[in-house]
Amino acid sequence: QVQLVQSGAEVKKPGASVKVSCKTSGYVFTTSGISWVRQAPGQGLEWVGWVSPYYHRTDYARNLRGRVTMTTDTSTGTAYMELTNLRSDDTAMYYCVRDPNRHFDYWGQGTLVTVSS
Amino acid sequence: QSVLTQPPSVSGAPGQRVTISCTGSTSNIGAGFDVHWYQHLPGTVPKLLIYGNNNRPSGVPGRFSGYKSGTSASLAITGLQAEDEADYYCQSYDNSLSIVFGGGTKLTVL
Repeated sequence: QVQLVQSGAEVKKPGASVKVSCKTSGYVFTTSGISWVRQAPGQGLEWVGWVSPYYHRTDYARNLRGRVTMTTDTSTGTAYMELTNLRSDDTAMYYCVRDPNRHFDYWGQGTLVTVSS
Repeated sequence: QSVLTQPPSVSGAPGQRVTISCTGSTSNIGAGFDVHWYQHLPGTVPKLLIYGNNNRPSGVPGRFSGYKSGTSASLAITGLQAEDEADYYCQSYDNSLSIVFGGGTKLTVL
């Protein structure tokens, strides 16, 4: 069965960086893109960006370009999302999701990133 | 301010039919991009409910259906059940913004 398992919760200070991992299994990693979606406390879902493990292409949300980097390791089936220069409004649950065609069919369990001084 | 507009809340009694609207524009839904729906139950991970406008993933009951026309889409839930109480999000693609979500609709089962 398809599974996406994310790394654990992180607490960071403003201005720091965070890197979240997403280990996939149960499907051929290069056959589907991976997107990242976040949800701030009490807010709705927000798309963060997308990476293609096959084409090594990325697409990032306009408001995060310059601060977010998404990569993949095809040897381990793992995707990574790094967010730099963290601000308090980056505090959110971050989900990695399998993105076969601009929609999200399998979700990771979520990684809570808290930005606080 | 979300690119796709959903009502903040809807409600219905058990057994009733409710619909949740999702209004976009000519740069997203109206441009022909598919609409997808997610159900987010409290304390759980969001779940794909409808993909490609009107397709249900395996395991999703037939009580859930999707519809798209012009620059809008809607999710219909028939035979409302207590366990349907959740937040519902529509999602599509936008020519300028890539993937976009609606602001979410809280469904309350009375």
